[in-house]
This record gives sequence, structure tokens and C-alpha cells, in this order.
Amino acid sequence: DGGITQSPKYLFRKEGQNVTLSCEQNLNHDAMYWYRQDPGQGLRLIYYSQIVNDFQKGDIAEGYSVSREKKESFPLTVTSAQKNPTAFYLCASSFRDRGNTIYFGEGSWLTVV
Amino acid sequence: SQQGEEDPQALSIQEGENATMNCSYKTSINNLQWYRQNSGRGLVHLILIRSNEREKHSGRLRVTLDTSKKSSSLLITASRAADTASYFCATDLKTSYDKVIFGPGTSLSVIP
Repeated sequence: DGGITQSPKYLFRKEGQNVTLSCEQNLNHDAMYWYRQDPGQGLRLIYYSQIVNDFQKGDIAEGYSVSREKKESFPLTVTSAQKNPTAFYLCASSFRDRGNTIYFGEGSWLTVV
Repeated sequence: SQQGEEDPQALSIQEGENATMNCSYKTSINNLQWYRQNSGRGLVHLILIRSNEREKHSGRLRVTLDTSKKSSSLLITASRAADTASYFCATDLKTSYDKVIFGPGTSLSVIP
């Protein structure tokens, strides 16, 4: 089945550690996105990528890094510089043309312990 | 800053009633979309309305768009308990259509 796979679903991180969240899509989409969602809140854009080897910062990119070496993959690294990383992280993808539906993965819960 | 803002933040209705949620945005857009999120899950696309459209229907959903007021509304008719979820509007900006911004959402509770 086509879709977006995020892993792991739940992740615990010690303070000072980097952690990488995986996102893979087999929908042949050009654009991929990472959003952060805090409990009871909306989504905030972290990074987005329109094509391979290119990505742009969203509204809250500080403390995060991404790569887009393959069309199917857009991993997100939460670095130790991110002061409050505990949140729900959502990966999404879409075709690049205007007005295309964004498809979401099931999300990853990150908790700092 | 938020591009889209939904209101109300929370809405509680009885099953069978209609639910209306509103979304306002600040800058010119290409398209506006509505999404639904069940607790702890990813978002699911409901409907897209283009900036040159005024109204769109999909099943029990009706979306309107008023570009002069920079606002949209989502109407769910004959609500069901299964409609309980959070609903978000999302806009892509005329200046950067690949950057899709979501509002804070409306939490809908439908009481059986």
C-alpha cells in the first residue's frame, strides 16, 4: 500500500542527545514536510523540501536539521540545541504542483527524560 | 506568526446537529484546505477549495471561502459521534505555495 511511514512511533531521549526521526514515502511525491505539534495545539512547520538535495526552513527550524538525499526519504534530527523537544512530530508529503493534498504519516512521539 | 486561525477553539454539540468552524488568514492564498485529526494520529485531508472558488461540497461537508474577508468556514451537517476530532485549516501562500501553514484547530466533540 502507498503511504508515509514514520518511525519510531515512540522515542525517549536523554537531555543532550541528538535523535533522528525517520520518514519514508512511496507515493512518488516531490515535496516533503516536517511539522511539530504540542498537546492541544496546531501544527508548526519545521522544514520542508521541494526536491532532492534541497530544503527550506520553516517557522521553527532552530535546533532541528534535515536531509533529502533520496526522493523517498526526509529524516529529521532533533539536536541537543532544541531546548524543548518533547512533542508530537508529523511528516507529510505532496506533489509539488499548486493545490495538492498533503498526506500525513501517523506521527512520532518524542519525550525527553 | 500564524497564517490561519480557527474559531471556535472548541465546540461541543449533540449528535444530529450541524457544526460550523471558521478559519481566518492574513495574506493572499492559492488554496485553502481542511483537515481532520483524531487524537494522537496523523491528519486526514477533507476538502480543498481554490482561491477562485466560493463554495464546495463533499458528502456532509460544505466549505465556503470569502477571499475579500480572508476567511473560510467548514460546515458538517447531521453530525455523528465519529466526527469527534480536531479540524484544521491549511493555507498555501501566493508567494510560496510549497509552504503550507496550519491554523491552531477547532476541537469538535459530538455527544451521542
